Amino acid sequence: EAQVTQNPRYLITVTGKKLTVTCSQNMNHEYMSWYRQDPGLGLRQIYYSMNVEVTDKGDVPEGYKVSRKEKRNFPLILESPSPNQTSLYFCASSAQQGSNTEAFFGQGTRLTVV
Amino acid sequence: GNSVTQMEGPVTLSEEAFLTINCTYTATGYPSLFWYVQYPGEGLQLLLKATKADDKGSNKGFEATYRKETTSFHLEKGSVQVSDSAVYFCALRKGGGNKLTFGTGTQLKVEL
Repeated sequence: EAQVTQNPRYLITVTGKKLTVTCSQNMNHEYMSWYRQDPGLGLRQIYYSMNVEVTDKGDVPEGYKVSRKEKRNFPLILESPSPNQTSLYFCASSAQQGSNTEAFFGQGTRLTVV
Repeated sequence: GNSVTQMEGPVTLSEEAFLTINCTYTATGYPSLFWYVQYPGEGLQLLLKATKADDKGSNKGFEATYRKETTSFHLEKGSVQVSDSAVYFCALRKGGGNKLTFGTGTQLKVEL
């Protein structure tokens, strides 16, 4: 079954404690990205990756890092989380074929930073 | 830059009512347009899409027509069910790219 898997689904952490949210896809997709979803703002792109070792900033990259060492994995790293990063995070992947390709989303990670 | 504007929710309807969720966009060129649906506790799923002007996307009784003259992609369904209760996102993707630009989402609640 084609899927994007995120872990954990829920996370409560304290300010400043480094954390990583993992994302893995089994569709051999080149393109992966991270979004955050906030009330009244919709989904905003944090970082994206066009392929292995190729990453770039999205619209709201401050406070986040990513890596793409393998095609299937695209972890999101918060080196020093702050309360304003409390949000619902989604990982997505799609084939690198242009504008018609469907994006597949993970189930989301609800992060609370206290 | 690109942007998507959706009608604000929540929208509450009775079962079998007609649904319209408005969506307009701003973009240069000819973007592809999408509707995604998010059921409670789940990720986003593609509901339908249209890639050029006058295309109609349809799925599960939902329809949306790509109107370039009004830069709109309104979502419609003739008879909603309780199981349609979800958050609906309109989105666009510029030609040749993979980035999706989303609207703010519209929550739909369907009651018996």
